[in-house]
Amino acid sequence: QVTLRESGPALVKPTQTLTLTCTFSGFSFSISGMGVSWMRQSPGKALEWLALIDWDNDKYYSPSLKTRLTISKDASKNQVVLTMTNMDPADTATYYCARRDKLLFNAFDIWGQGTMVTVSS
Amino acid sequence: DIQMTQSPSTLSVSVGDTITITCRASQRINNWLAWYQQKPGNAPKLLIYKASTLETGVTSRFSGSGSGTEFTLTISSLQPDDFATYYCQQGLTFGGGTKVEIK
Repeated sequence: QVTLRESGPALVKPTQTLTLTCTFSGFSFSISGMGVSWMRQSPGKALEWLALIDWDNDKYYSPSLKTRLTISKDASKNQVVLTMTNMDPADTATYYCARRDKLLFNAFDIWGQGTMVTVSS
Repeated sequence: DIQMTQSPSTLSVSVGDTITITCRASQRINNWLAWYQQKPGNAPKLLIYKASTLETGVTSRFSGSGSGTEFTLTISSLQPDDFATYYCQQGLTFGGGTKVEIK
């Protein structure tokens, strides 16, 4: 069974750096075509894609947030970490990680439950 | 960057109705398009990938079609469990969502 779980602080202050961890099980980054992506959703808003890391360590970032994001993986721990610098109240959202399987034509087939992050002083 | 535009943004419908949601791409795309269902407080759930392939375990009342720049998600015989928000996704871009609500 494939599962993903997001973890990180529920509250961060403006200008701080957010670090979120996605811990997954049931699949491996050693499999060609596997990737893990981060998305977010502000209250009442649409989904927004943030970043993706592939099995071969290729990384992709949202053009609008590229300067603030870093994605990395620790395959030995089955974890993917996303950092976002210079947090702002506008970054208040639920952050999701999800598996991307190229066999499913780049669909995100398994999602974590999400973690709510509030940016406030 | 490719933009994905969904319409309508809201649909007010009744149980038993058949509905269609449209997703338009700003340029021709391959058929690597997916559809998701999201209920309040829950993560999105994959319904369809490759424009028309039903994800395992998803009811056949959901169907997808399209090519080029226009794609559709059809839900037949709407059930109470289908009232949710639906998103299309191509590559690393999501559509703006369509909320299906009870009339």
